[in-house]
Amino acid sequence: ELVLTQSPGTLSLSPGERATLSCRASQSVFSSYLAWYQQKPGQAPRLLLYGASNRATGVPDRFSGSESGTDFTLTISRLEPEDFAVYYCQQSLAFGQGTKVEIK
Amino acid sequence: EVQLVESGGLLVQPGRSLRLSCAASGFNFDDYAMHWVRQAAGKGLEWVSGISWSGGDTAYADSVKGRFTISRDNAKNSLHLQMKSLTAEDTALYYCVKGLAAITDHFDSWGQGTLVTVSS
Repeated sequence: ELVLTQSPGTLSLSPGERATLSCRASQSVFSSYLAWYQQKPGQAPRLLLYGASNRATGVPDRFSGSESGTDFTLTISRLEPEDFAVYYCQQSLAFGQGTKVEIK
Repeated sequence: EVQLVESGGLLVQPGRSLRLSCAASGFNFDDYAMHWVRQAAGKGLEWVSGISWSGGDTAYADSVKGRFTISRDNAKNSLHLQMKSLTAEDTALYYCVKGLAAITDHFDSWGQGTLVTVSS
């Protein structure tokens, strides 16, 4: 069974700072199926990235993704106020537990 | 524009059954896999069930296998989730989610959810 482990659980940053979120898979996975979602309070999740690094329609280019083996990273280059949210990685029907990006 | 509108969420007693529905519009419904994903209050996302574009393939999380049944009506652009033997652990907001061609693909559109509360 695939387990996705996200870290850190919470990231406290200021607007304008760089955010680096990690997602580690418990076994080798196809990067083409790794996706990232953003969820704001009271809203449904929104697809951000798919195929580990492809931005979904309308997603700003400050969001980027990368991979190294079973480690996947979501980077937000410069945090905007609207980026403070919870982020989930997902692969093969499994979700990570989420990383909350909060205002410091 | 893709629209997914869930319905059927209720307060229900433990052990009872419930049927959720999702009305889809804005895309060729019978070209895509569809899913149900749930989220308990203050918790993370949990994939529940998925169904292929034709309805021929279905998949379930271990936590609901044998109790939940997913189905779709491509003629009516609708998705359903029949839930039985409900427990308090099934209490959550249930999202209808659009996938891509394969059940294991990512999810590209989400509804706003329907709330299921299991309590006596």
